[in-house]
Amino acid sequence: EVQLVESGGGLVQPGGSLRLSCAASGFTFNSYAMSWVRQAPGKGLEWVSVITGSGGSIYYADSVKGRFTISRDNSKNTLYLQVNSLRAEDTAVYYCAKGRTVTTPYFEYWGQGTLVTVSS
Amino acid sequence: DIQMTQSPSSVSASVGDRVTITCQASQGISSWLAWYQQKPGKAPKLLIYAASSLQSGVPSRFSGSGSGTDFTLTISSLQPEDFATYYCQQANSFPLTFGGGTKVEIK
Repeated sequence: EVQLVESGGGLVQPGGSLRLSCAASGFTFNSYAMSWVRQAPGKGLEWVSVITGSGGSIYYADSVKGRFTISRDNSKNTLYLQVNSLRAEDTAVYYCAKGRTVTTPYFEYWGQGTLVTVSS
Repeated sequence: DIQMTQSPSSVSASVGDRVTITCQASQGISSWLAWYQQKPGKAPKLLIYAASSLQSGVPSRFSGSGSGTDFTLTISSLQPEDFATYYCQQANSFPLTFGGGTKVEIK
């Protein structure tokens, strides 16, 4: 059974940093691209970033480029998102998501999400 | 970036009704489109991928159609468990983008 479990969210001041983690199990982690998708309270879904299975290719949304860094540790089956220079508009539930197949960016599995709140 | 425009933003319907939601891409995306259902406090659930392929385990009352720039999600006979918010997502190119969502409410 595929499981994705996010952690690392919390309350942080503007300008602060956090590292989000997503522990994966139930599939061959290093074969799949993984993404982060976020959802601000009461708002829609926003894709944040993707990293390929090997970590060789990475893409970001313009809204987070230069502030967020996606990475993965395939030996630990864990995906990360380092979030720096946080702003109020980064307040959201952050989900990690696995593609339906090795290559296609349709999100078949999602974690339960971790809430990041940016406030002074 | 490819913009995804969903309509309507909300719809009121009754159990048994046929509901249609549309999604328009700002440029052609072939069939690189998915539809998701999201209920309050839960992660989204994949319903349709590649514009018209039904995800395993999803009831056949859900169907998707379209290609290029115009897409449709149809629920043929609305059930109580279908009241939720629906999102389209283009998978043609990065950055991936979602539509703004359509909330299906009880009439």
